[in-house]
Amino acid sequence: DTGVSQDPRHKITKRGQNVTFRCDPISEHNRLYWYRQTLGQGPEFLTYFQNEAQLEKSRLLSDRFSAERPKGSFSTLEIQRTEQGDSAMYLCASSSKTTYQETQYFGPGTRLLVL
Amino acid sequence: DAKTTQPTSMDCAEGRAANLPCNHSTISGNEYVYWYRQIHSQGPQYIIHGLKNNETNEMASLIITEDRKSSTLILPHATLRDTAVYYCIVRVASGGSYIPTFGRGTSLIVHP
Repeated sequence: DTGVSQDPRHKITKRGQNVTFRCDPISEHNRLYWYRQTLGQGPEFLTYFQNEAQLEKSRLLSDRFSAERPKGSFSTLEIQRTEQGDSAMYLCASSSKTTYQETQYFGPGTRLLVL
Repeated sequence: DAKTTQPTSMDCAEGRAANLPCNHSTISGNEYVYWYRQIHSQGPQYIIHGLKNNETNEMASLIITEDRKSSTLILPHATLRDTAVYYCIVRVASGGSYIPTFGRGTSLIVHP
């Protein structure tokens, strides 16, 4: 399967713990996005990378959140000192951008529950 | 802060065409319109995209108005498996980037 993969698919943690999620994009894609989705809402943009550079971060991304893409391939999203409000689906998408076209391909998501 | 407007929900009989509208009146001249769908608890799935011409692929057809302010996704023969949330997306300027931005989408229910 050459699609976007995410690990783990589900995570249950206690409030105050740190969690880390991994995303493996489609190999030839240079852009990688993280989104967060809560029940009944569309995905909300968190941050994105072009190769290894993090080019944009949403106001939603508090200082407890950090993302990396060290070699321009896979990416990790870490949440420190988790709060119950962090419970959501975390989605990763990758794309290969041309001048005006950019089709994103999404992974299956990581569902986080903070108790 | 989505730049698209879609009806919250729609329903359609199995075997009939499902026509899902989207308004994107502030779309810039060079930006494409993308459609995705999301089946419960899965990641969004790409369906189709277009600039100003009508487009068709194996999943759906996309009709874009001449002024590009709205579009309609057509599922020509809806099946029960087409029940999903459908998102119409444009990229929105944010800082120095253009970010694909989702609204709340249309929940399509296909009934027997």
